[in-house]
Amino acid sequence: SQTIHQWPATLVQPVGSPLSLECTVEGTSNPNLYWYRQAAGRGLQLLFYSVGIGQISSEVPQNLSASRPQDRQFILSSKKLLLSDSGFYLCAWSFGGTGGSEQFFGPGTRLTVL
Amino acid sequence: GEDVEQSLFLSVREGDSSVINCTYTDSSSTYLYWYKQEPGAGLQLLTYIFSNMDMKQDQRLTVLLNKKDKHLSLRIADTQTGDSAIYFCAEPNTDKLIFGTGTRLQVFP
Repeated sequence: SQTIHQWPATLVQPVGSPLSLECTVEGTSNPNLYWYRQAAGRGLQLLFYSVGIGQISSEVPQNLSASRPQDRQFILSSKKLLLSDSGFYLCAWSFGGTGGSEQFFGPGTRLTVL
Repeated sequence: GEDVEQSLFLSVREGDSSVINCTYTDSSSTYLYWYKQEPGAGLQLLTYIFSNMDMKQDQRLTVLLNKKDKHLSLRIADTQTGDSAIYFCAEPNTDKLIFGTGTRLQVFP
C-alpha cells in the first residue's frame, strides 16, 4: 500500500530565515506530486505540482520554490521567509498519467513565521 | 474562471441531516470528489461520483449531481459530532484537482 510522509509536523521560524519542507511517498512509482498551502480557516491554494523528476509547475508567484530530486521526493523551499508564509502546508500525490485523479494527502506541516 | 464555489459555513443539530452544496465549472469532468478535513489534519477522500451518475449513496452519505446546472451536493444523514470538519468538493483539471473553497460543518448537541 502507498503512504505519504511530511516533516516536520510543526515549525516555528523567524522572518528572513530559510525553509525546507520535505514530502516523500512510498509504495508507488512516478506519482504526480503537489504542494498546497492553507491559511487559517481558509481553502487550499495549489502552490506547485510535478508530473516527473525535475518537472515543476508553479501556480502562483511567490518567494517559495519546489524541487523534485527523486521520483518520490518533493521539497518546498524558501530562501527568506515572510510573515505571510505562515500556514498549513499539505503535500499530496496522485497516480501519474491519470489526469486529475484522486489525490492522497499527507498529514501536513504547520508553519508559523514570527 | 476556475472557481469552484461552496458556502463557507453550515451549522446543524446532532441527528439532523446536513446538505453541503458545490458549484463546479467544467461540464466535461469525469469524476467529482468530496474530501473531509478534520482539525489539524490532511484531507481524506470521503466519496466520489462519476459524471454519468445522478446520485450515489454510501451509508449515511448521498451525493447528488446536476450536470445541467453544474451543481454537486453532499447529504449527511443523522449528522454526528464526529462529522464536524471542513468539506471540500473538487473537480479534475488536466493533472490537477480544483478544490472548492471549503464548507465548515459544525454539529451541535
